[in-house]
Amino acid sequence: DQQVKQNSPSLSVQEGRISILNCDYTNSMFDYFLWYKKYPAEGPTFLISISSIKDKNEDGRFTVFLNKSAKHLSLHIVPSQPGDSAVYFCAASETGANNLFFGTGTRLTVIP
Amino acid sequence: ETGVTQTPRHLVMGMTNKKSLKCEQHLGHNAMYWYKQSAKKPLELMFVYSLEERVENNSVPSRFSPECPNSSHLFLHLHTLQPEDSALYLCASSQGGRTDTQYFGPGTRLTVL
Repeated sequence: DQQVKQNSPSLSVQEGRISILNCDYTNSMFDYFLWYKKYPAEGPTFLISISSIKDKNEDGRFTVFLNKSAKHLSLHIVPSQPGDSAVYFCAASETGANNLFFGTGTRLTVIP
Repeated sequence: ETGVTQTPRHLVMGMTNKKSLKCEQHLGHNAMYWYKQSAKKPLELMFVYSLEERVENNSVPSRFSPECPNSSHLFLHLHTLQPEDSALYLCASSQGGRTDTQYFGPGTRLTVL
C-alpha cells in the first residue's frame, strides 16, 4: 500500500503563474519531507525539504507547505518558468529509518 | 567527475545473462542506496549501505546481489533476471542517515528480454 501519494499525474501552468503540486501521506510517523525534481534521462535532484516541526519552508521561488493534521504537503512555484517543466516527486521518511518513501510523481508543464 | 555517476546508462540482457551495474559517488558520503523505478510506480528502495555495511534489504529477490567494496562504490550484480525486472535502476548517496538529502545518479535503464 502506497504511503505517499501524488494523485495528479500531470499539471499544466502558464508561464509566470503559480504552480501548486500536492502530496498526501498516510503514515503519521513521517517527520521529514522532501521534493525532488527529475528531468528526462537524469536522476532526481533535491529541491526543497521540510521537517515536521515547521509548516512552511521557502527557498527562492519554491515554497513547501506542510499540514500535519491533514497529512498533506504542497509545493508552490511562483512565478513558474518553462525550465521548471519536469516530473516532481514528493518523498517522506521517519526518524531512525533509512527508507525514503516516494510518490509516483507529477509531470509539470509550464507553457511559455 | 562530480556527484553520483552510474554505468552503463542503458543495458539490454537476456534472462540467462550475468551483468553488473556500477555506481560511484564523488561527494564523500557515507551511505549509498539502490532504487528501482518501474513504469507508473513510485521509486522503491532495494538496498541501503551505511559505512559499507548493508543496513536494509527490502525483501529483494536473490537474483539481485549488491556489493559495496568501499564508501565510494556500489555495485548491483544481476543474474537470471525476469522480464518484469526491466526498469530504471537508480543509485543515490547521502552524508549520513535519512535526514540527509540523497543525491541521485542518472540511472541505468535495464531491459530484460
